[in-house]
Amino acid sequence: EPEVTQTPSHQVTQMGQEVILRCVPISNHLYFYWYRQILGQKVEFLVSFYNNEISEKSEIFDDQFSVERPDGSNFTLKIRSTKLEDSAMYFCASSGDRQETQYFGPGTRLLVL
Amino acid sequence: AQKVTQAQTEISVVEKEDVTLDCVYETRDTTYYLFWYKQPPSGELVFLIRRNSFDEQNEISGRYSWNFQKSTSSFNFTITASQVVDSAVYFCALSELGGYQKVTFGIGTKLQVIP
Repeated sequence: EPEVTQTPSHQVTQMGQEVILRCVPISNHLYFYWYRQILGQKVEFLVSFYNNEISEKSEIFDDQFSVERPDGSNFTLKIRSTKLEDSAMYFCASSGDRQETQYFGPGTRLLVL
Repeated sequence: AQKVTQAQTEISVVEKEDVTLDCVYETRDTTYYLFWYKQPPSGELVFLIRRNSFDEQNEISGRYSWNFQKSTSSFNFTITASQVVDSAVYFCALSELGGYQKVTFGIGTKLQVIP
């Protein structure tokens, strides 16, 4: 069964460093999303991406964040200068159509020291 | 704005008991989807069910059943004869049919099934 994959599973970084989180969505999906979950809290929407551009973003998704689909398979989330409060689990999701169910990857656990 | 409320933050049951997880939602849209996701201790989000706002039929899948009541804006989830493997955090979620389908999650209910 096709699934969303994410790498790395865990990342530890120093405050102020740039990190890139990678996702490989399900191959025939066209809509891509990033969410984050701070430890013990709910999952929060960050951004949706379709047709090589951001279609919607939350207030969390400020100038420190960017997304890209550098090739036909990867979908990345870059955090330019990490802060302590960026420590969270980051989930990538994809759907075949904007009205279809989003399937989530296993997450990348980011720890900023 | 859409909102999902899961009033039960933690529930403990003894194995084989039935348990119902409550979910109440708010949305200004007349058309929307409701979801339940399971997050086991390993951390991934596992899709359980999606329900269209037009379809108020209750659904049963094995030991799982869902009760959608539009009149009370509730979408409750019942696990029958709970098992230790059901221990997880369960998230109720909502997305509107228009737009790009951002999913709004509730805070989650942590279910512990005690052997």
